[in-house]
Amino acid sequence: NAGVTQTPKFQVLKTGQSMTLQCAQDMNHNSMYWYRQDPGMGLRLIYYSASEGTTDKGEVPNGYNVSRLNKREFSLRLESAAPSQTSVYFCASTKEVNSPLHFGNGTRLTVT
Amino acid sequence: KNQVEQSPQSLIILEGKNCTLQCNYTVSPFSNLRWYKQDTGRGPVSLTIMTFSENTKSNGRYTATLDADTKQSSLHITASQLSDSASYICVVREQTGANNLFFGTGTRLTVIP
Repeated sequence: NAGVTQTPKFQVLKTGQSMTLQCAQDMNHNSMYWYRQDPGMGLRLIYYSASEGTTDKGEVPNGYNVSRLNKREFSLRLESAAPSQTSVYFCASTKEVNSPLHFGNGTRLTVT
Repeated sequence: KNQVEQSPQSLIILEGKNCTLQCNYTVSPFSNLRWYKQDTGRGPVSLTIMTFSENTKSNGRYTATLDADTKQSSLHITASQLSDSASYICVVREQTGANNLFFGTGTRLTVIP
């Protein structure tokens, strides 16, 4: 039982490049989330998907797009990376809103 | 404004000692409060979730308390071990909205031999 799996673990991009961060969960959870974690700040929600087929913006969605490919997979895309998007990105899932979040181990992204 | 504040920012203790981490929040209306442990280079892992009616909840050597009247929570770690070195994050969920979680910035705990 792998839980939440994120790929890649590390990535370096140049300004203007694009990339997709992958996330998959094997717990049959309905809801999935993308957060970013920056030094000195709490985790901030980028996008979430309450169920398969739906996605909604979180607190900091600008510069990102998401796809809920199926119940297991939720990807995050940066179309034109900017240095301000240098961060650690966490994917999470939960069975229902009052259950704990299960996090992946993150993707550390550096944009130069 | 809904906020979650944690103190101290960082803490160093000797192995075997106890410690208490604090969390104050202004989130309203309150739904539940969660404590997560985040090891370096890993994602946060849930320690406990407390609802309005729960004053104390334990998970092994971790004991969380909640005072919903004063909007304060604490996480007490007993007989600390080197593996307790991590960041501890307090998260409060607001009742309204499907995804209204407010994250604290965490307390960085270092346990030294």
